[in-house]
Amino acid sequence: DGGITQSPKYLFRKEGQNVTLSCEQNLNHDAMYWYRQDPGQGLRLIYYSQIVNDFQKGDIAEGYSVSREKKESFPLTVTSAQKNPTAFYLCASRPSGARDEQFFGPGTRLTVL
Amino acid sequence: AQSVTQLGSHVSVSEGALVLLRCNYSSSVPPYLFWYVQYPNQGLQLLLKYTSAATLVKGINGFEAEFKKSETSFHLTKPSAHMSDAAEYFCAVSVARGYNKLIFGAGTRLAVHP
Repeated sequence: DGGITQSPKYLFRKEGQNVTLSCEQNLNHDAMYWYRQDPGQGLRLIYYSQIVNDFQKGDIAEGYSVSREKKESFPLTVTSAQKNPTAFYLCASRPSGARDEQFFGPGTRLTVL
Repeated sequence: AQSVTQLGSHVSVSEGALVLLRCNYSSSVPPYLFWYVQYPNQGLQLLLKYTSAATLVKGINGFEAEFKKSETSFHLTKPSAHMSDAAEYFCAVSVARGYNKLIFGAGTRLAVHP
């Protein structure tokens, strides 16, 4: 089955540690996205990538980093510089074409203790 | 700049009643509009989308939405609510230039009671 996988589903880390969230898709989509979701605030864009080896900052990129070495993979690293990292993180992908919707993964809930 | 406003962070309806979730958008270019649904601790699932074809769009699970340019609205409706419709709903507008970003509303949580 084609889709987007995110792992792990739940992640706990100590304050000050970097952590990497995985996002893999087998839909052959060109574009991939990372969002952060907090209660009552909808989704906010962290980073996005249209093609391999290229990515752009979104609205709240500070304290995060990404890489896009393969079309299928777009990992997100939450660094110790992120002031309030506890949140629900969603990965999405989209085929080429402005009319196409984004397809979302199941999300990773990160809790920093 | 594009933006989306969802009126009402919480909506409660009785089972069998009409569901109406409101969405207004602002866009300097002809918009593409989307409604997504999210169940607890899950990702978002597309309900329906408007991409400049028919103004009345039918989606999954009996939902539909009407694009009204004069009112800059894209409200989501369902004639008869079911308990399984309880979820959070997000309206989004597509920035149809550059990297095709989606701008999301803050979401509306729908509760359905017996």
